Amino acid sequence: TQLLEQSPQFLSIQEGENLTVYCNSSSVFSSLQWYRQEPGEGPVLLVTVVTGGEVKKLKRLTFQFGDARKDSSLHITAAQPGDTGLYLCAGAHSGGYQKVTFGIGTKLQVIP
Amino acid sequence: GAGVSQSPRYKVAKRGQDVALRCDPISGHVSLFWYQQALGQGPEFLTYFQNEAQLDKSGLPSDRFFAERPEGSVSTLKIQRTQQEDSAVYLCASSFHLARLQGAFYEQYFGPGTRLTVT
Repeated sequence: TQLLEQSPQFLSIQEGENLTVYCNSSSVFSSLQWYRQEPGEGPVLLVTVVTGGEVKKLKRLTFQFGDARKDSSLHITAAQPGDTGLYLCAGAHSGGYQKVTFGIGTKLQVIP
Repeated sequence: GAGVSQSPRYKVAKRGQDVALRCDPISGHVSLFWYQQALGQGPEFLTYFQNEAQLDKSGLPSDRFFAERPEGSVSTLKIQRTQQEDSAVYLCASSFHLARLQGAFYEQYFGPGTRLTVT
């Protein structure tokens, strides 16, 4: 059971286009992470957001954490074929050992 | 240094067979996690080790699943009497920190996974 909902689940766009991926939950998270996973590999962490309303930028990628810390978005500007992959959001709860709950992922294909 | 490694990378088992999946975490990493990723899904938590202690096994889907980390480094996930629904990629991740601070997150480094196919 996935507690984090991601949309869209599939996205195919042309090189140079912009896109936004959404991650929503009814739960409050102490932090939220975005990962990128390529076929045959494990997820690789892109960013962690901790504070409600926080915005982080990583080159052409902009990540935002909702004010209530229940949702997040990933915006990619001028997508490149190298951005192709599965984008996963994951929420961590406070306390304990950082048990992480993953969303189903958004499969992005950027066509040259 | 080397990242997290897993072996085998691919495993085909006939239904009813037992399998053992190995994870070599990054040297010195205290925390070790196992996840199951079914086709078209995100990873789902199976179990967590802090050194050799298995502190959470709430995600193990049945008593056919067993994990161990006897010396606090290498870990093995064992699945007995495999079923077709066990077919998935099994991911291992390790983290240096104990990760107990509220509001902080310590990066988990994932291995490439073992793709298990049960026929």
